[in-house]
Amino acid sequence: EIVLTQSPGTLSLSPGERATLSCRASQSVSDNYLAWYQQTPGQAPRVLIYGASSRAPGVPDRFSGSGSGTDFTLTISRLEPEDFAVYYCQHYVNSRWTFGQGTKVEIK
Amino acid sequence: EVQLVESGRDLVQPGGSLRLSCKASGFTFSSYWMGWVRQAPGKGPEWLANINQEGSYKFYVDSVKGRFTISRDNAKSSLYLQMNSLGVEDTAVYYCARWSLALDYWGQGTRVTVSS
Repeated sequence: EIVLTQSPGTLSLSPGERATLSCRASQSVSDNYLAWYQQTPGQAPRVLIYGASSRAPGVPDRFSGSGSGTDFTLTISRLEPEDFAVYYCQHYVNSRWTFGQGTKVEIK
Repeated sequence: EVQLVESGRDLVQPGGSLRLSCKASGFTFSSYWMGWVRQAPGKGPEWLANINQEGSYKFYVDSVKGRFTISRDNAKSSLYLQMNSLGVEDTAVYYCARWSLALDYWGQGTRVTVSS
């Protein structure tokens, strides 16, 4: 079973700053099936990035994904007020889905 | 517009059963893998089960295997989750979601509370 570990648990930043979120897999995974989601309170998660680096339709270009193998990164280039939320990475392998435990991006 | 609407919100006693439904619209339901994901209060999402387009392949997380059953009716564009032997640890918001390289559409979620 692949375990996804996200760090840090909480990121305290100010609007306009750059956010870098990490997702580490317990073993090498296919980047074709690594996705990132954003969740705000009371809402379902929303896909931001799929295939490790492809932005989902309608996602602003300040969001970018990178990485391969066991280390993946979500970068938000300049934080907007609506970006303060919880972010999850997720992987698909052998028809099973796995989520990381999440990183909360909070206003400093 | 793609929509997924769950129903079956309820309060159920420990040991009880519940069937969740998810009605899909705005896309060709029979062309997609679908699945259920839950989120316990204050926790991250947890994948529960998924099912292929024809309903011939079903996969489950170990914690619900043997208790939960996923199914679909393509003629009704509907996804189901039969949940048996419910425990307090099953209290969560349950989402249905569509898989297309990622979980690209989610329902609004339905709250299930297991309590005596």
